[in-house]
Amino acid sequence: AQSVAQPEDQVNVAEGNPLTVKCTYSVSGNPYLFWYVQYPNRGLQFLLKYITGDNLVKGSYGFEAEFNKSQTSFHLKKPSALVSDSALYFCAVRDQENDYKLSFGAGTTVTVRA
Amino acid sequence: DAGITQSPRHKVTETGTPVTLRCHQTENHRYMYWYRQDPGHGLRLIHYSYGVKDTDKGEVSDGYSVSRSKTEDFLLTLESATSSQTSVYFCAIRGDSDTGELFFGEGSRLTVL
Repeated sequence: AQSVAQPEDQVNVAEGNPLTVKCTYSVSGNPYLFWYVQYPNRGLQFLLKYITGDNLVKGSYGFEAEFNKSQTSFHLKKPSALVSDSALYFCAVRDQENDYKLSFGAGTTVTVRA
Repeated sequence: DAGITQSPRHKVTETGTPVTLRCHQTENHRYMYWYRQDPGHGLRLIHYSYGVKDTDKGEVSDGYSVSRSKTEDFLLTLESATSSQTSVYFCAIRGDSDTGELFFGEGSRLTVL
């Protein structure tokens, strides 16, 4: 079985401050990990993924994520948040042995205040 | 743009009526998925397809059926809609990379009264 937990329903930060959105996962084998962003009334947009190798992954719009195997975490980060980063963020995991299913967390709403 | 079109984008219906949502893709991807999005639950997989006429159940498949008679179309049917099926439904296709990231349509908002 595979699952994802996003422990924070909401994250609030001031513009220009660093942003972190937390994610922990559970898989029986090795994970593929993903972050998606959803703007109001839109579909999910792919941000970045971890496959293997370097634990720091860089993605779209200045976001990056750090994979930590010992803590089974994959936190999303941005050094300097923008008001336009306000959105709903989803973490997702797939077991490398599972060919078809992507499991999503419940989502974290990020609000960046000017 | 992953070339995914969902229709209808909005629908209001009454309990007990049948509803069909359509997902159309233009890029010939093998895998297609239907998810529902509900507050506090994130996205939950309803059904998926791994080829024409090849489908399987996801974690919340009760009350839903699917069909895929052509590569480009994946239909989700609620045979008799219930209020618990009020949700936003997303279709997704799996990209060509081995890592299996998904690309989503814009969603179909269904309200069952």
